[in-house]
Amino acid sequence: AQSVTQLGSHVSVSEGALVLLRCNYSSSVPPYLFWYVQYPNQGLQLLLKYTSAATLVKGINGFEAEFKKSETSFHLTKPSAHMSDAAEYFCAVSEKINFNKFYFGSGTKLNVKP
Amino acid sequence: DGGITQSPKYLFRKEGQNVTLSCEQNLNHDAMYWYRQDPGQGLRLIYYSQIVNDFQKGDIAEGYSVSREKKESFPLTVTSAQKNPTAFYLCASSMLNTEAFFGQGTRLTVV
Repeated sequence: AQSVTQLGSHVSVSEGALVLLRCNYSSSVPPYLFWYVQYPNQGLQLLLKYTSAATLVKGINGFEAEFKKSETSFHLTKPSAHMSDAAEYFCAVSEKINFNKFYFGSGTKLNVKP
Repeated sequence: DGGITQSPKYLFRKEGQNVTLSCEQNLNHDAMYWYRQDPGQGLRLIYYSQIVNDFQKGDIAEGYSVSREKKESFPLTVTSAQKNPTAFYLCASSMLNTEAFFGQGTRLTVV
């Protein structure tokens, strides 16, 4: 089974600073990769996804992520944090063999300081 | 608008009761999922279904049951056998090679 590791359960940045949220996965076969955002008491919303096209993926709200096969990583970045980015972020993978099964990381709560 | 509807948003259960959480989707997705979310533990898969009348256990299926009689509906029953049911429950759906789409969740509390 896949496993997804998100380093840092809490990350705090100042408004306008770089956001970097880390995600590593366990598969030796490149899976499909996703980043989701969750606001309190709401469902998850897709930020971006990697499905074996370009390794640098751009998403909504200025976020992007880079797939690095050699590092089995899919880190999420945003050049300049905004107060509205404060939320919890989840990295997820799905296997290309069993594509309909998703595995989620434990989440990273992003705090944005004024 | 297409989407996934979970109801109710808040649910209270007494000890020993069974309760059923509703999940309906009008996205025409084949696959549907139930996840449980606890603080600091991310999302854990309870059950999933890839086609009508078929479903599989996820990682934490004990104390839960599901049915998939219609493509658009995937209700989850939390039985009295689930000893710690207080959590946030998320329903999702997907098609082949796409991401999962999520409902807004149901917060279940044991009183």
